[in-house]
Amino acid sequence: EEQLVQSGSEVKKPGDSLKISCKGSGYRYSSYWIAWVRQMPGKGLEWMGIIYPADSDIRYSQSFQGQVSFSVDKSISTTYLQWSSLKVSDSAMYYCARLRIVGSTHYFDLWGRGALVTVSS
Amino acid sequence: SSELTQDPAVSVALGQTVRITCQGDSLTTYYATWYQQKPGQAPLLVIAEKNNRPSGIPDRFSGSNSENTAYLTIAGAQAEDEADYYCSSRDSSGNHYVFGTGTKVTVL
Repeated sequence: EEQLVQSGSEVKKPGDSLKISCKGSGYRYSSYWIAWVRQMPGKGLEWMGIIYPADSDIRYSQSFQGQVSFSVDKSISTTYLQWSSLKVSDSAMYYCARLRIVGSTHYFDLWGRGALVTVSS
Repeated sequence: SSELTQDPAVSVALGQTVRITCQGDSLTTYYATWYQQKPGQAPLLVIAEKNNRPSGIPDRFSGSNSENTAYLTIAGAQAEDEADYYCSSRDSSGNHYVFGTGTKVTVL
């Protein structure tokens, strides 16, 4: 079964660092881009960027460039989303999703269950 | 602009048809994909660009487009279709992606 398994909920304080993970299984992990998507409480989906596990090619949304960083460990089929100094405004649900590209057709066909990040003093 | 705009909310009577719209400049170049999100759940792909339904998605869901607007139609809406729906496409650069503002569908 193809799946993306995300790490659990986190409660942090402003200024803390954090790294959350997204582990793929059941498919050739390195061959598909992985996206990160933010959903703030009661709000819509926001595309943060994507990373290609095979070569760590990264594309950040302008809105998130410099605010977060992506990384990957191919050996364990895991992608990471990292903050060096959290803000209260980073409190949100974070999803990872697989980007499927078929010719000129692009879509996110496999999603993790999400990781809830709460930042509070 | 790479924004995708959706109506915030629509309602539909049980068994009737509802059409959700998504407008944006990038849709003149790229097709939209559609995602359903129920409370407390991750988004679920329902239409993969233009009108391709993944396995397991009922055929009452269909997609279409015209110029800078994409449409998701639910024909014969069921109670379980009550959810938030988001469109998405590549942005004007073709290398990034954008989600629509989301539409809450209520089945009466």
